[in-house]
Amino acid sequence: EAGVTQFPSHSVIEKGQTVTLRCDPISGHDNLYWYRRVMGKEIKFLLHFVKESKQDESGMPNNRFLAERTGGTYSTLKVQPAELEDSGVYFCASSQRRPGQGTYEQYFGPGTRLTVT
Amino acid sequence: DQQVKQNSPSLSVQEGRISILNCDYTNSMFDYFLWYKKYPAEGPTFLISISSIKDKNEDGRFTVFLNKSAKHLSLHIVPSQPGDSAVYFCAASARETSGSRLTFGEGTQLTVNP
Repeated sequence: EAGVTQFPSHSVIEKGQTVTLRCDPISGHDNLYWYRRVMGKEIKFLLHFVKESKQDESGMPNNRFLAERTGGTYSTLKVQPAELEDSGVYFCASSQRRPGQGTYEQYFGPGTRLTVT
Repeated sequence: DQQVKQNSPSLSVQEGRISILNCDYTNSMFDYFLWYKKYPAEGPTFLISISSIKDKNEDGRFTVFLNKSAKHLSLHIVPSQPGDSAVYFCAASARETSGSRLTFGEGTQLTVNP
């Protein structure tokens, strides 16, 4: 079974440009999460989809970030316009609810390293 | 306000000995805890978890202990192996109030020396 995949693995853009990150979750996983790690600090939650619906987007930094999950399969995270402080590693994770037990372990992709210059 | 803290940025142990990684939390609503391992240029990999109704969970060489009164958990790896060298993240969720999102600590770099 394929794991969570993310594209691109690296992206270097200039301040003011737009970047779109893509995540393909594990097949059949309804839950999809975006996280970000900045400058080697803790990994911080951005938002959570259940199928195509945004369940929790309380971690999104500001309105320059837009996440979508059309059709409830893959997701995209767009940053427009990018700022220097957006640099970091963006992780996607997915999980599947186990009957009667709620959502537990999340499985992470390799991340996209974003550098804004 | 960091709700999950890993106060040791690094830990070095000899192969075959025990590795103990510690984690403290402040949010009393956390009811599920996980440990992830991360190698360079890879995403975090799930290692082991524990529910707040338990105080210990064991899986092979890995054991997680939870002390709710102290708001403290630890990961024991025994015996430690060089392949265990990685960054270990402690994570927690408050499923009743915050859904399934994870709150992470800053990680501890474990180095196991041959």
